[in-house]
Amino acid sequence: DAKTTQPPSMDCAEGRAANLPCNHSTISGNEYVYWYRQIHSQGPQYIIHGLKNNETNEMASLIITEDRKSSTLILPHATLRDTAVYYCIVREPNNAGNMLTFGGGTRLMVKP
Amino acid sequence: DAGVTQSPTHLIKTRGQQVTLRCSPKSGHDTVSWYQQALGQGPQFIFQYYEEEERQRGNFPDRFSGHQFPNYSSELNVNALLLGDSALYLCASSLRGRGTEAFFGQGTRLTVV
Repeated sequence: DAKTTQPPSMDCAEGRAANLPCNHSTISGNEYVYWYRQIHSQGPQYIIHGLKNNETNEMASLIITEDRKSSTLILPHATLRDTAVYYCIVREPNNAGNMLTFGGGTRLMVKP
Repeated sequence: DAGVTQSPTHLIKTRGQQVTLRCSPKSGHDTVSWYQQALGQGPQFIFQYYEEEERQRGNFPDRFSGHQFPNYSSELNVNALLLGDSALYLCASSLRGRGTEAFFGQGTRLTVV
């Protein structure tokens, strides 16, 4: 699986959009981009994933650049409960869903 | 529908002892993976079980072993515990296939003294 690079920490004001970047310049054509988050002392939680097209669900939006070398996770209206470590992961499709390579992630602090 | 459940939630062991951690996957899932998460770091993949066999393994010594049962539940065993084995141990389950997401349990906090 390709490696990812994320900023170690970010701050966001409550109610504003949080935009979390991820670089995955060595991604191959069939690898998916996944995002998970981990709230303190809990297990990681799946947020969203995509291959080429932008994706949106009830939690977030995922924007993948046309060359697929980077992506951005967008939390449209961040709340204090969104404070967590966010992990961007690139995964092969033949890799069973739960074999994931985590990096250091981005520690997002949502402030009042 | 219960998600992934792990037991126990916390335990303390002495160096040299052996420990067994347990995981019940989310209903309908057939694949289980185990992760070790040291304080301040991301989870590190230990191994994955499918059809009661170890399918993939990360860079962990043979002291770490596992088992999967016919009902898809799983155990992680660690022998000859070291202080460095102190960590949060996470179990993740999924349905084997393309593009499926993993669901994680809340983890077992192991402290080795």
